[in-house]
Amino acid sequence: EIVLTQSPATLSLSPGERATLSCRASQSVSDYLAWYQQKPGQAPRLLIYDASKRATDIPARFSGSGSGTDFTLTISSLEPEDSAVYYCQQRSNWQVITFGQGTRVEIK
Amino acid sequence: QITLKESGPTLVKPTQTLMLTCTFSGFSFTTSGVGVGWIRQPPGKALEWLALIYWNNDKRYRPSLKRRLTITKDTSKNQVVLTMTNMGPVDTATYYCAQDYGDYGNNWFDPWGQGILVTVSS
Repeated sequence: EIVLTQSPATLSLSPGERATLSCRASQSVSDYLAWYQQKPGQAPRLLIYDASKRATDIPARFSGSGSGTDFTLTISSLEPEDSAVYYCQQRSNWQVITFGQGTRVEIK
Repeated sequence: QITLKESGPTLVKPTQTLMLTCTFSGFSFTTSGVGVGWIRQPPGKALEWLALIYWNNDKRYRPSLKRRLTITKDTSKNQVVLTMTNMGPVDTATYYCAQDYGDYGNNWFDPWGQGILVTVSS
């Protein structure tokens, strides 16, 4: 099973700042990686898939990059509504789809 | 507009079997490539994928839970049913169903249902 390790655990930034979230895979997943946003009490929402493609209706301030084992989700200019937990997910080994443990983004 | 909604018991006793239903609208299993998955999330913890089923009845299970899980679909009712046997306290979680986003086998999930919190307790 491929393990995804996300860092940092928590990120505390001010509105307008740039947020950089990391996801590292225990073995190569090519570009088969997605990012989700989960706000308190809500279901997750797909932000990025195939490492860098934005899902439908996702604002352009969200971008993804990386391949192989190291991936990044960047929020270029934080908005108050971006306060959430962000999860990465891989599907390279389709028999076991796995998620990271999440990064909490707090807006000061 | 695509919507999904989970239904089923919110409290089950240890050793019992859980049966959850996902009822969806806005898409159909009559369309090639369509898939629906189940994912759960213990309180305060991360997401865990459980199972997937596709329009052609192709099924995928989390290997560590495969012996306990069964996923089926009812095309005429736009429903997917997940059955999990021998429930224990560690299975307490919010259970979500979600559409497999995009092409067949993408295994990305969007949109998701609102989730149903299932508590396992005697």
